[in-house]
Amino acid sequence: GENVEQHPSTLSVQEGDSAVIKCTYSDSASNYFPWYKQELGKGPQLIIDIRSNVGEKKDQRIAVTLNKTAKHFSLHITETQPEDSAVYFCAASPMEYGNKLVFGAGTILRVKS
Amino acid sequence: DGGITQSPKYLFRKEGQNVTLSCEQNLNHDAMYWYRQDPGQGLRLIYYSQIVNDFQKGDIAEGYSVSREKKESFPLTVTSAQKNPTAFYLCASSIDPGPAYEQYFGPGTRLTVT
Repeated sequence: GENVEQHPSTLSVQEGDSAVIKCTYSDSASNYFPWYKQELGKGPQLIIDIRSNVGEKKDQRIAVTLNKTAKHFSLHITETQPEDSAVYFCAASPMEYGNKLVFGAGTILRVKS
Repeated sequence: DGGITQSPKYLFRKEGQNVTLSCEQNLNHDAMYWYRQDPGQGLRLIYYSQIVNDFQKGDIAEGYSVSREKKESFPLTVTSAQKNPTAFYLCASSIDPGPAYEQYFGPGTRLTVT
């Protein structure tokens, strides 16, 4: 079945620096790739998503890039702030899975001020 | 104020007891999902429902059961057959069961079984 790998598992950056989280997927037919942010004790919240017909998408300080050939996608956060500290999950929607989401293991991002 | 509510936030049970977790949404969404979250792991799908009176097993359905009698409600029962039930449980919904629709998550229920 589909497998989504996410790296790194933890990431510490200085406030104002950039953070990059990478995910790879195995099903070339996957067509939807969301990123979720989860704060302590809360449910995940969608922060950005990208579809397979787009290579890059930006929303203020957040961007996602997709390389379909290599089957990987990345989350980029620029000018990080302490409130960006959270767990980030990537996900992919593999066709073989009935169009449901398969999540990566998550990345704990710590922004040091 | 639309959203998904899960209750209770914390739940404690003795081993061998069944327990039901509540999930309610007022977003008028067709699809609803239950995920389990364990430390260091991503979310794993337990059950999902695309429409009222219909539901399908996810990756880890063993030891769990669900019902979808109303569009806004999707309760999850953790039975005594679930060998390792202690976890954080998340309910989600989407307007459509297709893949390109955002899933909205509730605040979760942390279940501890001793």
